[in-house]
Amino acid sequence: QLQLQESGPGLVKPSETLSLACTVSGASITDYYWGWLRQPPGRGLEWIGTIRTGGSSYYNPSVNSRVTISVDTSKNQFSLNLNSVTAADTAVYYCAREAGLFEYWGQGIMVTVSS
Amino acid sequence: DIQLTQSPSFLSASVGDRVTITCRASQGVSRYLAWYQQKPGIAPKLLIYAASTLQSGVPSRFSGTGSGTEFTLTISSLQPGDFATYYCQQLNSYPLTFGPGTTVDI
Repeated sequence: QLQLQESGPGLVKPSETLSLACTVSGASITDYYWGWLRQPPGRGLEWIGTIRTGGSSYYNPSVNSRVTISVDTSKNQFSLNLNSVTAADTAVYYCAREAGLFEYWGQGIMVTVSS
Repeated sequence: DIQLTQSPSFLSASVGDRVTITCRASQGVSRYLAWYQQKPGIAPKLLIYAASTLQSGVPSRFSGTGSGTEFTLTISSLQPGDFATYYCQQLNSYPLTFGPGTTVDI
């Protein structure tokens, strides 16, 4: 059974970099595409980006200049780095397996941007 | 970017009601559309993909129709566990986008 688990700090200061990791179990990270999404409190879902096998990545233009998604095959993990964060980046961040749609999700991690 | 709108944004219903939610795309997405159900504090759950294919394990009271720019999600007889927020998502092209959601409440 495929499972995903987000990890990282729950509080990030404005202008700093938000860094999260997603550990995948039950599947090899090299076999699928993987994505990050977020959901600000009380609001809808936003796709942040996807990393594909082979390392190519696709990002939402809304964050494209600030985001990097990478894979660590040795840990069966993929990561999100979002720099220059502001309060608008406060959200629950989800990692998920991306196949165009999202069938498998992590439980989500709340990240607050505040000094 | 493909924009998705949903109507209504909020729906008040009772157990046993038939409920229909509409999702419209700003440009055609063929049948590359999925529906999700989300309950508070929980990650979204995939209900339907390819506009009308029921995900494994999803009750048959859920159904989806449509293609191109207009899609519907129907719950034939609302059950207590169906009170939630529903999102459509297009997977026709990047950036992947979601509708703003429809909350089904009592």
